[in-house]
Amino acid sequence: NAGVTQTPKFRILKIGQSMTLQCTQDMNHNYMYWYRQDPGMGLKLIYYSVGAGITDKGEVPNGYNVSRSTTEDFPLRLELAAPSQTSVYFCASSYLRSGGADEQFFGPGTRLTVL
Amino acid sequence: AQTVTQSQPEMSVQEAETVTLSCTYDTSESDYYLFWYKQPPSRQMILVIRQEAYKQQNATENRFSVNFQKAAKSFSLKISDSQLGDAAMYFCAGDMRFGAGTRLTVKP
Repeated sequence: NAGVTQTPKFRILKIGQSMTLQCTQDMNHNYMYWYRQDPGMGLKLIYYSVGAGITDKGEVPNGYNVSRSTTEDFPLRLELAAPSQTSVYFCASSYLRSGGADEQFFGPGTRLTVL
Repeated sequence: AQTVTQSQPEMSVQEAETVTLSCTYDTSESDYYLFWYKQPPSRQMILVIRQEAYKQQNATENRFSVNFQKAAKSFSLKISDSQLGDAAMYFCAGDMRFGAGTRLTVKP
């Protein structure tokens, strides 16, 4: 099993550009999450999904969109990139909700810089 | 919503010694799980240990153990016999909420 994979690993965007961060898991997990980690800080939840077709906002959803058309994939879309979105983005998955016994499995992260 | 707070930005420990990392939380749930994750320089997040609030016994995983004080809403991580490979950021986490992290340095 590959676990949780994310692409790309690194990306530099210009202000106003758009991009999609890809996330795929092969563990048949119901829950998937997107977090951002600013330098020296913890992870903040952007969006999460409890299954295909169902998504919900986290703490910091502004400037982002998600979709969940399949169990495996949970892409994160950045529209009109801003310098404040410079961060490391982590995708994660779990079988049950993270607060209910299951650990989250994390991807390797995407380092995004907006200039 | 649940909140998780880590008040120690940095900690250091001598190799082979014991160190305790602190975490406090707040939640309105009656049953819940808490986690400690390790993030080495590779950035990969790795689960260290988990604790169910319903269980009175503190969780233990080899050299890692927790001191869970439910009434005080405290969830600290104790690392015994510290090794150089333990150097990393450690995050306390609950339900989709993470603390700000503690950077642990291990001195040889």
